[in-house]
Amino acid sequence: QVQLVQSGAEVKKPGSSVKVSCKASGGTFKTDTINWVRQAPGQRLEWMGGISPTFNIPNYAQKFRGRVSITTDASTSTAYMELTNLKSDDTAIFYCARSLSGRDFFDYWGQGTAVIVSS
Amino acid sequence: SYVLTQPPSVSVAPEKTAKITCEGSNVGSKSVHWYQQKPGQAPVLVIYYDSDRPSGIPERFSASNSGNTATLTITRVEAEDEADYYCQVWDSYTDDRVFGGGTKLTVL
Repeated sequence: QVQLVQSGAEVKKPGSSVKVSCKASGGTFKTDTINWVRQAPGQRLEWMGGISPTFNIPNYAQKFRGRVSITTDASTSTAYMELTNLKSDDTAIFYCARSLSGRDFFDYWGQGTAVIVSS
Repeated sequence: SYVLTQPPSVSVAPEKTAKITCEGSNVGSKSVHWYQQKPGQAPVLVIYYDSDRPSGIPERFSASNSGNTATLTITRVEAEDEADYYCQVWDSYTDDRVFGGGTKLTVL
């Protein structure tokens, strides 16, 4: 059974950065793709990007390019998402979600990490 | 960028059938996936590749996709089905994964 466990809630100032972690277990981390999805309060889900540890080349959504960085540490089966230059409308729940290699849907999700951006 | 449009809300009585639509330009040429999200919880995949069900998802959940509309159908609706439902596709032009705006299913 695949499990994705994310780091805890964060409160950040505008203009700062946040880095969220996602530790995977029970799957094949090196061949899976770990994706990040943002959900602002009352808003739709937004795919931010994903990375396959095998190739270690991230793929970012157009909207977030230049502001997001997704990385992995295969030694700990952990993926990271860093979002820079935070604004108040970045206040959201951030989810990591797995997709199998070559698939474009998300079959396992982390529990979510709340990020509040406030001065 | 590719846009998926869902009705904001759908209401249905228990034991009846709920249909939730997802409209997009020629969406029938894409693979559509559906997620269920209950308040305070992460989304759960309920349908992938237009009509396949992951293990553990009741047979009451089915879906179809043709033309400009994909449809999620829930038969014999139960109170526990009350949730937000999102459709999702892969936009091959941008390589983005795109979600619909979500539909709140209310069980009367």
